Amino acid sequence: DQQVKQNSPSLSVQEGRISILNCDYTNSMFDYFLWYKKYPAEGPTFLISISSIKDKNEDGRFTVFLNKSAKHLSLHIVPSQPGDSAVYFCAARGGNNRLAFGKGNQVVVIP
Amino acid sequence: DAGVIQSPRHEVTEMGQEVTLRCKPISGHNSLFWYRQTMMRGLELLIYFNNNVPIDDSGMPEDRFSAKMPNASFSTLKIQPSEPRDSAVYFCASSFGIGQPQHFGDGTRLSIL
Repeated sequence: DQQVKQNSPSLSVQEGRISILNCDYTNSMFDYFLWYKKYPAEGPTFLISISSIKDKNEDGRFTVFLNKSAKHLSLHIVPSQPGDSAVYFCAARGGNNRLAFGKGNQVVVIP
Repeated sequence: DAGVIQSPRHEVTEMGQEVTLRCKPISGHNSLFWYRQTMMRGLELLIYFNNNVPIDDSGMPEDRFSAKMPNASFSTLKIQPSEPRDSAVYFCASSFGIGQPQHFGDGTRLSIL
């Protein structure tokens, strides 16, 4: 059973515009959330994280928002750049410290 | 700094053969994770170690899979005997502490014919 879900598997966005990726989870015990970025033939790279006690974390062009009541988080990339074209994975940490991953969203930034 | 190093990058073998995947974590990291990625199931955690001790192997699919971490700088994931349904990309990741962001290797693409 998929505890972390990423719908809308692909997203195309014009360079300079905002990319918004969404992630929903089912386990209310998750206490820490992460986003990873993955290029083809490479491993996922850690991008940004947020603790369940916060609702927003910002790092440069990347901002993650957490809505605990809705069990929803989102990643905003602004402005989007061609180098942001990749697959983005949402992950959540449970009480046993295991990470549960979503299946990923493909982002294509059009120059 | 060197990242997580996995070998081989690609492995093609016939069913029934033994397969050994190798991983060198980032120096100083004390937690190591093995994942499997497939189209159907996405990224799944197979097993993780803390300070070279297996902590949770509940993700290991069956007895054909085994993992070891003989020291802080090396781990193996072995499949014996291999089956076509084991075909996937296998990732190793390490972190400084179980709850910290994990750093992934570039994976081993395994094809069992």
